[in-house]
Amino acid sequence: AQSVTQLDSHVSVSEGTPVLLRCNYSSSYSPSLFWYVQHPNKGLQLLLKYTSAATLVKGINGFEAEFKKSETSFHLTKPSAHMSDAAEYFCVVSDTSGTYKYIFGTGTRLKVLA
Amino acid sequence: DAGVIQSPRHEVTEMGQEVTLRCKPISGHNSLFWYRQTMMRGLELLIYFNNNVPIDDSGMPEDRFSAKMPNASFSTLKIQPSEPRDSAVYFCASSRDSIFTGELFFGEGSRLTVL
Repeated sequence: AQSVTQLDSHVSVSEGTPVLLRCNYSSSYSPSLFWYVQHPNKGLQLLLKYTSAATLVKGINGFEAEFKKSETSFHLTKPSAHMSDAAEYFCVVSDTSGTYKYIFGTGTRLKVLA
Repeated sequence: DAGVIQSPRHEVTEMGQEVTLRCKPISGHNSLFWYRQTMMRGLELLIYFNNNVPIDDSGMPEDRFSAKMPNASFSTLKIQPSEPRDSAVYFCASSRDSIFTGELFFGEGSRLTVL
């Protein structure tokens, strides 16, 4: 069965410093991987997705993620945090091995300090 | 292009009352999902429709919950009778594809409070 683990429930960074949100997955097949962002009182919005093309995926708002098969990781990064990046971030793996589900991580709440 | 539209945005009701949440997916999308989000349990998939047919309802908590999709542009999630533990934010999402490689488009959610 496929699964996804977000290694940090909370991350705090100062404005202008790099952001790293960690995600590990387990999969028996070539997975599709996604990062979504949820701002307070809003629905989730796609930041980026990996579907077996380039391993470095660029998303919206300056975010990117690198698919590393050997490490089963899909960490989300941004070179310089902005106050508007404060939100909750979800790593998602698509299970197409039979049960056909999107499997959501438990979320990482990003706090950006002025 | 309008996104996924959910109503009501907020609902406060008393225990035992019937609650109906509504969702209009994006036109042309053939997959529709209902999720529930709570602090304790995170995001949970309740039910998934493809081409208006329920495919996976294993996440529906119990018989008090039911969902319908009478046509491609409308779905409802009903709770009868409601209980305080049903308090949560309920999200509807739609997707263009049915093979789980595409983007999910979420509505803004319906926040339900059962007193």
